[in-house]
Amino acid sequence: DIQMTQSPSTLSASVGDRVTITCRASQSISSWLAWYQQKPGKAPKLLIYEASSLESGVPSRFSGSGSGTEFTLTISSLQPADFATYYCRHYNSYSPYTFGQGTKLEIK
Amino acid sequence: EVQLVESGGGLVQPGGSLRLSCAASGFTFNIYSMNWVRQAPGKGLEWVSYISSSSSPIYYADSVKGRFTISRDNAKNSLFLQMNSLRAEDTAVYYCARSRSGGYLVDYWGQGTLVTVSS
Repeated sequence: DIQMTQSPSTLSASVGDRVTITCRASQSISSWLAWYQQKPGKAPKLLIYEASSLESGVPSRFSGSGSGTEFTLTISSLQPADFATYYCRHYNSYSPYTFGQGTKLEIK
Repeated sequence: EVQLVESGGGLVQPGGSLRLSCAASGFTFNIYSMNWVRQAPGKGLEWVSYISSSSSPIYYADSVKGRFTISRDNAKNSLFLQMNSLRAEDTAVYYCARSRSGGYLVDYWGQGTLVTVSS
């Protein structure tokens, strides 16, 4: 099974900061990686798919990059609405579709 | 607008059973694969099961294999999860989630239904 490891687990930042979250796969997943945002008590929301494609309606301050085993999610200028938990997930041909353990983005 | 509405959650004793339902609307249900994903209180997301548009193939996480059964009724735009032999560690919010057409990318989620397994 493919394991997904996110870092850091918690990130403290301020409004206006540029932040980066990393996701590593235990084996190559090409670009079959998605990023989700989840706010407390809410369902996750798709932000990025195929590692770097921005989902419709998602602000352009969000971007994704990487391929193979290492991926990043970058928020260029943090807004108050961005404080949430972020998850990566691979979705290539069948392997249990594991999520990363999550990165909680907190206000500094 | 895509809508996924789960129901059927509640309190059940260890060893008991529960059947979750998901009513889908706003899209052509019978051409999309579907999933169940769960989240234990204060924990991360765990994919549970996948069913293709035609009900084959079907996949399960090892943690639920042999105990949970996913199914769908395309005529009624509905997804189901039959959960048997429930354990305390199955306590979670269960989300119904759609896979984007032709693949495994989950793009829309319901709001979830809480299942609590406790005596």
